Amino acid sequence: AQSVAQPEDQVNVAEGNPLTVKCTYSVSGNPYLFWYVQYPNRGLQFLLKYITGDNLVKGSYGFEAEFNKSQTSFHLKKPSALVSDSALYFCAVRFNQGGKLIFGQGTELSVKP
Amino acid sequence: DADVTQTPRNRITKTGKRIMLECSQTKGHDRMYWYRQDPGLGLRLIYYSFDVKDINKGEISDGYSVSRQAQAKFSLSLESAIPNQTALYFCATSDEDRTGELFFGEGSRLTVL
Repeated sequence: AQSVAQPEDQVNVAEGNPLTVKCTYSVSGNPYLFWYVQYPNRGLQFLLKYITGDNLVKGSYGFEAEFNKSQTSFHLKKPSALVSDSALYFCAVRFNQGGKLIFGQGTELSVKP
Repeated sequence: DADVTQTPRNRITKTGKRIMLECSQTKGHDRMYWYRQDPGLGLRLIYYSFDVKDINKGEISDGYSVSRQAQAKFSLSLESAIPNQTALYFCATSDEDRTGELFFGEGSRLTVL
């Protein structure tokens, strides 16, 4: 079955430290991978996506993600976390162009001063 | 004004009542979606529509119905609300031919007592 998993419900990071939010997927074929962020009382906002090409994808607000086909992972990273990065992060996968987007369960990122 | 507008933003109702959540968009996208968000479960697709004459069930369509009144409008109905339909509901749109990115509304929080 096609699925996406975020193994950590919560990630805690000190401001200024690097952060990683993990995402793995199960797929037959080539996936289209996305990260979205949800701030409190707001809808989801698109951060970045991987369709094809360079495995390292850069997105909004200084975030980047690395596609690793052998490990079927698409982890979200940022070199230096900000308190304002605190939010709920969703990984999502689509298994073909035009297909439905399947979301992970979300990871709550908390960045402390 | 927001590109994707949901009304109402908050609603408290009683078991057995009929509820309609409305979504309108100004992005000119053909594709519209209704998702439900529950803590720890991520977003789950209820219904989606790829154009005005197209309606498709998602993974959790039981107990819900939709209407695509125009390209810009997509409403979600709960014919007889039950407490386990208490959740945060999101409408989204996409332009699949270009980026595959979803654009979300701010959400409608529904509480069924």
